[in-house]
Formats: sequence, C-alpha cells, structure tokens
Amino acid sequence: DVKVTQSSRYLVKRTGEKVFLECVQDMDHENMFWYRQDPGLGLRLIYFSYDVKMKEKGDIPEGYSVSREKKERFSLILESASTNQTSMYLCASQPGQRTEAFFGQGTRLTVV
Amino acid sequence: KQEVTQIPAALSVPEGENLVLNCSFTDSAIYNLQWFRQDPGKGLTSLLLIQSSQREQTSGRLNASLDKSSGRSTLYIAASQPGDSATYLCAVYTSGSRLTFGEGTQLTVNP
Repeated sequence: DVKVTQSSRYLVKRTGEKVFLECVQDMDHENMFWYRQDPGLGLRLIYFSYDVKMKEKGDIPEGYSVSREKKERFSLILESASTNQTSMYLCASQPGQRTEAFFGQGTRLTVV
Repeated sequence: KQEVTQIPAALSVPEGENLVLNCSFTDSAIYNLQWFRQDPGKGLTSLLLIQSSQREQTSGRLNASLDKSSGRSTLYIAASQPGDSATYLCAVYTSGSRLTFGEGTQLTVNP
C-alpha cells in the first residue's frame, strides 16, 4: 500500500513563527502536492512539485514556500505564521501525470 | 476555469439503502476523475480513479460512472452501512496533474 506520512497530526504555533510541515511518501512517486482545506472553501492547492528541486505555485502560494531536496520528501514552510493560516494541511503524491493521487492523514495547524 | 459541484451537500439515509452521489464539472475537457472519502479530521482516502476513456469503474460496493460530454460523474453505493458515513469528494484532472475538487457530500448512514 502507498503510504504518505505527514510529520504531525496537530500543531499549535505562535504568530510570526517559522513553521515546517513535512511530508514523506514511500513509493518513489514523481509528483507531490500541498493543499489546505477550509470550511466553505474546499481544498486549495498551495504548491506542487514534479521532480526533485522543482516546484510550481498553485492557487494560493502567498505566505508559503516549499522544499524538495529528496524525491520522497516535500516540505511546506510558513515563513512567518499568521492566524489566517490556521487550517487543515494535506499532502498528496502521485506516481506520474494524471495518475491516482494518495493523501496523507492531514496536519491541523492552529496559529495563535 | 474548471468548477466542480457536488449535490447534495449532505445526505442522510437508513442502513441498507442504495444511493447515488452526484458530481458535475463545467469544462468537459478533463483527463481523469477521482473519487475520495474523508472521515472527520482525517486525510483523503482514494476510492476510484476513472480514466477519461472509461465510462465506469467498480470497487466492491462502489460503482463510479463518467459522462464527459454532459460534465457529470456519479458514485453509486450499494447496500449502505453505517461505516460508509463520511464526506465524499470528487476531483477532476484538467491541466497537468492538478486536481480541482468539489466541496463534497456529507453522507450519514443511520443504523
């Protein structure tokens, strides 16, 4: 079975902190994604990556950055956390273009 | 811009009933469509992927259909069980590997 693992289920951070969310997949997938999910807004794409050291902006990249130094790991970075970044963050991976997407268990981030 | 709509937003049924969840999309030029399940506070679990050349895909009690020309997909759940209670999301692949999601249908199956 494909496994996508996010480093934390729950996180509480203070405004202005730099926050790292980690995601690891164990199936040698090419593509990795970060989404956030908010009530009434659904899932929105933040950033994605088709290969190591490659990244592309999604629909809401402002306030975020990403890092993909190894194929299996995709990190989301909140440069200076703000309360409007309180959300559920979901990582996903895919073997290749337009193939089945697999999601991690989610990280519920609260910024206070 | 692709938009995905799921109706109804919530559905409550008695155990054992067969049910249909609907998904519609505005741009029929899609590649594939994927159905997911999400339990409260959890991530998404992949249920079925329908490729653009297919019209149906089945897994156990689940059957998903795709009609690209009319911009619709349905997820049929046979003999529903309380354990099927969850939010069901559909998502379409348009350009590249980007997914556009609907907001989901929250299903409750009552014992």
